[in-house]
Amino acid sequence: DGGITQSPKYLFRKEGQNVTLSCEQNLNHDAMYWYRQDPGQGLRLIYYSQIVNDFQKGDIAEGYSVSREKKESFPLTVTSAQKNPTAFYLCASSQQVAGELFFGEGSRLTVL
Amino acid sequence: AQTVTQSQPEMSVQEAETVTLSCTYDTSESDYYLFWYKQPPSRQMILVIRQEAYKQQNATENRFSVNFQKAAKSFSLKISDSQLGDAAMYFCAYRSTQGGSEKLVFGKGTKLTVNP
Repeated sequence: DGGITQSPKYLFRKEGQNVTLSCEQNLNHDAMYWYRQDPGQGLRLIYYSQIVNDFQKGDIAEGYSVSREKKESFPLTVTSAQKNPTAFYLCASSQQVAGELFFGEGSRLTVL
Repeated sequence: AQTVTQSQPEMSVQEAETVTLSCTYDTSESDYYLFWYKQPPSRQMILVIRQEAYKQQNATENRFSVNFQKAAKSFSLKISDSQLGDAAMYFCAYRSTQGGSEKLVFGKGTKLTVNP
């Protein structure tokens, strides 16, 4: 089945450690996105990529990094520079002009 | 920059009744997309309905319909014959059609409770 797969679903990290969240899609979509969700904050855009080997910062990119080496994959690294990384992270993809985003099931990161 | 506002943090409805969730947005563009997404307790974001700004006709999907008022920049969601499975967070979202601005901008959400 076509879709977006995020892993892991739950992740615990000690302060000072980097962690990478995986996002893979088999929808042949050009654009991919990472959003962060906090209670009462809605979804905020971290990074997005419209084509391979290119990506742009979203509204809250500080402390995060991404890569887009393959069309299917858009991993997100939460670095130790991110001050408050505990959150729910959602990956999404879309066709350039179709409009809607398709989402993965999310990854919950907890910093201990 | 575009903004999306959902003024109702929480709403409740009796099963089988109708409820309307509000959404307003701010933009200077004339063509864009608007969406309503549902996020149940599983946290999976599910598209409920979409509206293209150039279409005057309001979109409908079974029990879900929108009231799109372009001049007022309003995009409300009506849920008819509410069911227990409709209980979720609902997010309104805006997407530009201009090249380089394809990101989706979300409101902060409305938590809908359905009472049996």
